[in-house]
Amino acid sequence: DTAVSQTPKYLVTQMGNDKSIKCEQNLGHDTMYWYKQDSKKFLKIMFSYNNKELIINETVPNRFSPKSPDKAHLNLHINSLELGDSAVYFCASSQGEVPLGAFFGQGTRLTVV
Amino acid sequence: AQSVTQLGSHVSVSEGALVLLRCNYSSSVPPYLFWYVQYPNQGLQLLLKYTSAATLVKGINGFEAEFKKSETSFHLTKPSAHMSDAAEYFCAVSAARGNTPLVFGKGTRLSVIA
Repeated sequence: DTAVSQTPKYLVTQMGNDKSIKCEQNLGHDTMYWYKQDSKKFLKIMFSYNNKELIINETVPNRFSPKSPDKAHLNLHINSLELGDSAVYFCASSQGEVPLGAFFGQGTRLTVV
Repeated sequence: AQSVTQLGSHVSVSEGALVLLRCNYSSSVPPYLFWYVQYPNQGLQLLLKYTSAATLVKGINGFEAEFKKSETSFHLTKPSAHMSDAAEYFCAVSAARGNTPLVFGKGTRLSVIA
């Protein structure tokens, strides 16, 4: 069983479209994250949820909206996609407020054309 | 606030040679430190972590790292490189208190030459 699973793995879409990425974890963790990895492999936190509550929202355009229907799921919806949104998006989860090591999904490679 | 600096974006070693990947951190509060590995087109896998217990931490695949507070360093080592170690390695820091996510360094690509 995959601990943190993301769908889809690849996403190619045109500018201006709206798309969603889904994430599910079966580890029983209470904290979930979205990270963005750019073309230079730099990883940057976007959002963090603890028990379905948004606790970290970095300087991300408001076209990005996370939604956590329950502790096991954290989805990412992106409106009006732009070329600069092309990246790999990683979902991760950890237990507790202090991450003693987060578990990462396989990533979603988003390409905006 | 926390930050991490990884010295060397690319390190190349011969198979069987010592692997040394450098990481220096900055943190205004006691840090927790991590090393992750990323193989091509895959997610990140936790190699090892320092969470204020032993300063010498052993991880998976024969890797270890030593926390040195005086040097603000957490370098990753492996005595003998294997071809399968070729990957991107990330050092990360978080604070030993609530609601601080992992902050990553820019990564070091390790190449292993036969």
